[in-house]
Amino acid sequence: AQKVTQAQTEISVVEKEDVTLDCVYETRDTTYYLFWYKQPPSGELVFLIRRNSFDEQNEISGRYSWNFQKSTSSFNFTITASQVVDSAVYFCALSERGLNAGKSTFGDGTTLTVKP
Amino acid sequence: EAQVTQNPRYLITVTGKKLTVTCSQNMNHEYMSWYRQDPGLGLRQIYYSMNVEVTDKGDVPEGYKVSRKEKRNFPLILESPSPNQTSLYFCASSLTGLDNTIYFGEGSWLTVV
Repeated sequence: AQKVTQAQTEISVVEKEDVTLDCVYETRDTTYYLFWYKQPPSGELVFLIRRNSFDEQNEISGRYSWNFQKSTSSFNFTITASQVVDSAVYFCALSERGLNAGKSTFGDGTTLTVKP
Repeated sequence: EAQVTQNPRYLITVTGKKLTVTCSQNMNHEYMSWYRQDPGLGLRQIYYSMNVEVTDKGDVPEGYKVSRKEKRNFPLILESPSPNQTSLYFCASSLTGLDNTIYFGEGSWLTVV
């Protein structure tokens, strides 16, 4: 069975600090996809990134970066120079490609508060 | 505009009264899925559909039904709602479900009393 663990329930930082959100996953599948989503206080869910298991290259998008390490089954998300607008709940998720293609598992989320 | 539309957005209903939450997408996506979100439990997948007439159970399918008779619609049916189904529900879609951007609806707050 697949599992996603976000050990950090809540993180609080001051604006302009860098912050890393951890995500550890478990799966028996050799081909899978990892995702990060953002849920701001307004409640909607926003897709941030998808990474497939064959691509371990780190990704950077503006102030956001993602570090995928298969050796440690981790897919961590870093926000550089955080801003108040980054305050949200962030979810990591896993989707397999084999027999359970389409089935997705979310972590419990990390609530990030960025204080001015 | 690409969107996933859920209705109703808010509903208070009574135990046992059948209800349907509709979900429609305008992007010709093959994949659609339903999730529920409860405090401290993140999002849990209820059902998903890889294409028309193909549906599969997620992690928490008990008490729910779905159908996928046409590509754009994926209704969630609560045949006999119970208070433990009080939750925030999200519908989502993507082109294939495996390797594309996921689009979410705005969410439906359901309260069963």
